[in-house]
Amino acid sequence: AQRVTQPEKLLSVFKGAPVELKCNYSYSGSPELFWYVQYSRQRLQLLLRHISRESIKGFTADLNKGETSFHLKKPFAQEEDSAMYYCALKGGVYTGGFKTIFGAGTRLFVKA
Amino acid sequence: ETGVTQSPTHLIKTRGQQVTLRCSSQSGHNTVSWYQQALGQGPQFIFQYYREEENGRGNFPPRFSGLQFPNYSSELNVNALELDDSALYLCASSRPGQGAREQFFGPGTRLTVL
Repeated sequence: AQRVTQPEKLLSVFKGAPVELKCNYSYSGSPELFWYVQYSRQRLQLLLRHISRESIKGFTADLNKGETSFHLKKPFAQEEDSAMYYCALKGGVYTGGFKTIFGAGTRLFVKA
Repeated sequence: ETGVTQSPTHLIKTRGQQVTLRCSSQSGHNTVSWYQQALGQGPQFIFQYYREEENGRGNFPPRFSGLQFPNYSSELNVNALELDDSALYLCASSRPGQGAREQFFGPGTRLTVL
């Protein structure tokens, strides 16, 4: 079964502390993994995707196929990082790639 | 480049009624997906349209249907509304050349079924 699991509903850290939002997935094949973010009163938007291997707003995420994980990390959290974060999976183009599966989300709260 | 827009913002219906939600994609985006987001949950994929044809569907019954028009607008229709259909409905569009990978989301329509 295709599934994305975000084990933490809420993560609270102090400003300047490291952050790791966990994401595990279940998919038979080679999926593409994404992190989407929703700031207060804003729409859902793409933060980063594993194929780009980029760092956005100081966040990085490495796809670990052995552990089927795609954890989101940032070494020093900022207050403006407070938001709802969703991990998402999309199948390969030839294996149902039209469908995006989202996790339930983790709310990150960065305290001053 | 204008963003994805959705209408209406909020909607209240009663059980058994029918509803139509509308989405206007960004110019040039020929792929649109619809999602249902229940409270406290992540978005759940309903279906995707590409060049005015449905090319993928999630685990939703046939009473959820859609249309996509040549002007990049689209509709989500839900018949015989049930209480559990109460949710935020999101549409997301993608432009060609990216394999519909990056999606641009609208603000959503909040549907309440009484």
